[in-house]
Formats: sequence, C-alpha cells, structure tokens
Amino acid sequence: EVHLVESGGGLVQPGGSLRLSCAASGFSLRYYWMQWVRQAPGEGLVWVARITTDGPYTTYADSVKGRFTVSRDDARNTVYLQMNSLRAEDTAVYYCVRNAAEGAFDYWGQGALVTVSS
Amino acid sequence: DIVMTQTPLSSSVTLGQPASISCRSSQSLVHSDGNTYLNWLHQRPGQPPRLLISKISSRLSGVPDRFSGSGAGTDFTLKISRVEAEDVGVYYCMQTTQSPYTFGQGTKVEIK
Repeated sequence: EVHLVESGGGLVQPGGSLRLSCAASGFSLRYYWMQWVRQAPGEGLVWVARITTDGPYTTYADSVKGRFTVSRDDARNTVYLQMNSLRAEDTAVYYCVRNAAEGAFDYWGQGALVTVSS
Repeated sequence: DIVMTQTPLSSSVTLGQPASISCRSSQSLVHSDGNTYLNWLHQRPGQPPRLLISKISSRLSGVPDRFSGSGAGTDFTLKISRVEAEDVGVYYCMQTTQSPYTFGQGTKVEIK
C-alpha cells in the first residue's frame, strides 16, 4: 500500500529555515515525479514545487522561488523540501504528493504544519 | 499562469439528489500531447485531498461511479449523480497541463 509521511514541520521565526522530509513506502520513488502542495489555514490548495525523475529537474512557484529547494534521495525513498527565509505567509500545511503518469496527483501525505511566527 | 474558476463556491444538497460543479480555465487545457490534464479532488475536513478524476473523466480506482467528469477545452464539470453523506467536503478542480499547476478556489458541498 502506498504511503507518504511528511515530517519536519513546526514553529519557526520569520527569516528562519526548516527542512521537510517525505518518506515514501509501498512504491519505488525513483519512477515518479514528486510534488509539494501547501494549504494555508482555512484556505485552498497551492502548488509549491516539483521534482522530476530525470536530472532531476525542479520547478517552483514564483512565491517560493529562490527560497525553497526540493530534492530527492531515491535510495532512501525520500523527498525533501528545504525552506529558507521563511515568511508569515508561508504558514501552511505542506503536502507531499506522488505524481503518477499523465498529470495525476494520485497519492497525498497527511501533511506537515509549518507555522512562521515570532 | 492559468486561472481556474469554480462555480458555485458552495452547494447545499439533499441526500440522494444530484450535484454539479463547474470549472473554467483561463486558457485551453489541451496539452501539446493532445491530452487535457484536468483533475478533480475531494477534501474532507481535517483530511488531505483525494484525487477522484484525472484527464477530465477518468475515475481513479475505488472512486464510486456516481462521480463523473466531463468537458473540453476550458469548460469542465464534475457531477455527483446521487449525493451521499460521505460526499461532504470541498471539491477542487486542478490543471496539470502547464506549470505552475493551479487549483480552483474550491466548492464546499454540504447536506441540506
């Protein structure tokens, strides 16, 4: 059974850093693009970042470009999101998502809450 | 960026009755490969989203057949033929045709 488990969330001050991890099980990460999507409290879903299998190549939302870095360790079946220079508006639940073939975000983790506040 | 606009933003439905949600994109979602990457997701309170339908009308395994998707180009619809109690929550359309991927605002479905 496919599982994605995020960890590393928490409370951080503005300007601080956090690294989220997403441990995948039930499938081999090496064959899938992976995504990060966030959801601010009471708000909708916003795509954050993508990492491909080849390269790998990464793409980011403009709101996080230059501050966030997505990476992967296929040997550990884990994806990471390094978040630097955090701002209050980055406060959200961050979901790790498997990108199946043909654009389908088919499995979502339970999410990791990141709170940026002084 | 492609803007996704959903209507209505909320819907109160009687159990057993149908429900329909519309989603319009600011530009065509037809990819250069000929596919249209329009997805529908459902999120219950306190839960992560769940993918229901991909590529306009392909139901994922385990999704009840009371859910159906249709549309083309820039106009899409999710229909629930007979709403059940477990269908409450927020429904999102999402395009994965072009980066940055974008979501609709969400449509909250509740039972009347």
